[in-house]
Amino acid sequence: AQKITQTQPGMFVQEKEAVTLDCTYDTSDQSYGLFWYKQPSSGEMIFLIYQGSYDEQNATEGRYSLNFQKARKSANLVISASQLGDSAMYFCAMREDLFEAAGNKLTFGGGTRVLVKP
Amino acid sequence: ETGVTQTPRHLVMGMTNKKSLKCEQHLGHNAMYWYKQSAKKPLELMFVYSLEERVENNSVPSRFSPECPNSSHLFLHLHTLQPEDSALYLCASSQDITGFNNEQFFGPGTRLTVL
Repeated sequence: AQKITQTQPGMFVQEKEAVTLDCTYDTSDQSYGLFWYKQPSSGEMIFLIYQGSYDEQNATEGRYSLNFQKARKSANLVISASQLGDSAMYFCAMREDLFEAAGNKLTFGGGTRVLVKP
Repeated sequence: ETGVTQTPRHLVMGMTNKKSLKCEQHLGHNAMYWYKQSAKKPLELMFVYSLEERVENNSVPSRFSPECPNSSHLFLHLHTLQPEDSALYLCASSQDITGFNNEQFFGPGTRLTVL
């Protein structure tokens, strides 16, 4: 079974509107971390936001917020006030065994391509 | 230079060639990583180095040989590759391999094409 599932291969969003990117995960660990990365066409992966499994509040970073629903094992990314520069691939990733020296391994989902329309 | 840099950005090689990918991080981090990103597949972790020691080898074929001479540099030596090895190879670094929010910083990648 896939550990990280992103069901939306691609989506359009109008400039200045908000968009929600879905991410569900599968783990039996109690301590884990969830990450979102942005990958523009240039190739580099840009870290956006992090949510720890023990964090009681949803993470926010500027226009990015994470809708963390632990019981449903979902960690959706919300981008508010979309800009043309937000057009990119977006990847959800998980790190399990936070207390273990497990090599800081990230497992990535398949990604969602976002295209912002002017 | 800042962040994580990778050279070359693009590489085309034949199946009998030997080439190397280079990654350098200017962040003072202790851990470095190689990832492979193939078309239509999720990003796959290949190798993890912590303080120049390999801590993870994710069942990668021996035609890929990593080298970490110091905590700032990471190489991926390539030999007798197959066309299916064509992909974007991304390097990343993080402060350490333990801890909670151990964010990984990525380089721009090397786009490899094997003919």
